[in-house]
Amino acid sequence: GAVVSQHPSWVICKSGTSVKIECRSLDFQATTMFWYRQFPKQSLMLMATSNEGSKATYEQGVEKDKFLINHASLTLSTLTVTSAHPEDSSFYICSARNRDVSGNTIYFGEGSWLTVV
Amino acid sequence: DAKTTQPTSMDCAEGRAANLPCNHSTISGNEYVYWYRQIHSQGPQYIIHGLKNNETNEMASLIITEDRKSSTLILPHATLRDTAVYYCIVRGVNTNAGKSTFGDGTTLTVKP
Repeated sequence: GAVVSQHPSWVICKSGTSVKIECRSLDFQATTMFWYRQFPKQSLMLMATSNEGSKATYEQGVEKDKFLINHASLTLSTLTVTSAHPEDSSFYICSARNRDVSGNTIYFGEGSWLTVV
Repeated sequence: DAKTTQPTSMDCAEGRAANLPCNHSTISGNEYVYWYRQIHSQGPQYIIHGLKNNETNEMASLIITEDRKSSTLILPHATLRDTAVYYCIVRGVNTNAGKSTFGDGTTLTVKP
């Protein structure tokens, strides 16, 4: 099946610094990718939709200046958490849409654990 | 996207079939039913999807009722490694479709 890869799998950063998470579709082109956040024992919450070559669309309540999304190519989207705070510590997951599959199947990355200390 | 309703938790004996139900009574004609599962500390794993016909792959079978208002995911011979949270999602295929609205899912525990 299609593979979506995230990097890094886990990262620890200091408060106030920025951290970048990459999401790559390894064997298909993804014009659209999605970023989610998941807190412990909770479901996934959509943060934003990343469109190749255009600005991301953010869900209500998600600060676009804090969570910078760049989708510069058909296989790569990045999420940068700027001026990180401990409350930003979470599991961040991306997904990508494979339009070559019937039903436009979405595949998810392995997730990235962010801990802000 | 249509909302889905799933039981909070289910148990299943190892080797037996696990049948996970999902209600999606407000599903639209062009919306697919997708199933994913999430094992602890991992990203969701795609299992299967369907529109109106029953589907089967190497992982599971998906049974969709004729009125499409509900579906059942069947794991034919559950193993301990199938213990996970299973999410049923209904999603269209139009432009910009792909945002998945996750409910709380069903926590399936497979017991020896």
